[in-house]
Amino acid sequence: EAEVAQSPRYKITEKSQAVAFWCDPISGHATLYWYRQILGQGPELLVQFQDESVVDDSQLPKDRFSAERLKGVDSTLKIQPAELGDSAMYLCASSLLPNTPSNTGELFFGEGSRLTVL
Amino acid sequence: QQQVKQSPQSLIVQKGGISIINCAYENTAFDYFPWYQQFPGKGPALLIAIRPDVSEKKEGRFTISFNKSAKQFSLHIMDSQPGDSATYFCAAKYRQFYFGTGTSLTVIP
Repeated sequence: EAEVAQSPRYKITEKSQAVAFWCDPISGHATLYWYRQILGQGPELLVQFQDESVVDDSQLPKDRFSAERLKGVDSTLKIQPAELGDSAMYLCASSLLPNTPSNTGELFFGEGSRLTVL
Repeated sequence: QQQVKQSPQSLIVQKGGISIINCAYENTAFDYFPWYQQFPGKGPALLIAIRPDVSEKKEGRFTISFNKSAKQFSLHIMDSQPGDSATYFCAAKYRQFYFGTGTSLTVIP
């Protein structure tokens, strides 16, 4: 069964350090999302890609977060410098179709990367 | 501002009972309402979904009831089983998905 792959599963870092997360979506899925899920809350969108282009990064804290999907396949989310408040689960999701009024764009999530900032 | 409000935060149900989770929204532009199930250490997985032109959708033991005029929708889990113990998120889509805060369901054997 096709899955969204994410690594690392767990990351512990000290504040002010740089961290990076990697995501490989389901093959053929053109739309890729990065979500942040704080413990006890629902996922919140950070950035959405359509192929290699950013569709929505309005909620990405651009002073410290960056995301790229250079070849339109796998993607990297970077945080530099990490802050205590960045401790969360970072979820990657992909969908076959983009979200439009006529498309559902069902999300398939990876298992996430749990970040702890000390 | 929370786009989708979900309740209760936690729920304990006896095996065989009915679990009910409620969500409410304000944005009438939302055009798709899915429910996701998340087990510890895993990502959310789509459970069942409904569009606003339908009042009810049933898949096995899982039913979504949708009240467009009240801007509310709910998930009913019939004959709840211990294996249903998980966190459930409602969501609503308009250009992007907005998730509720989650309900932790525990089904007691």
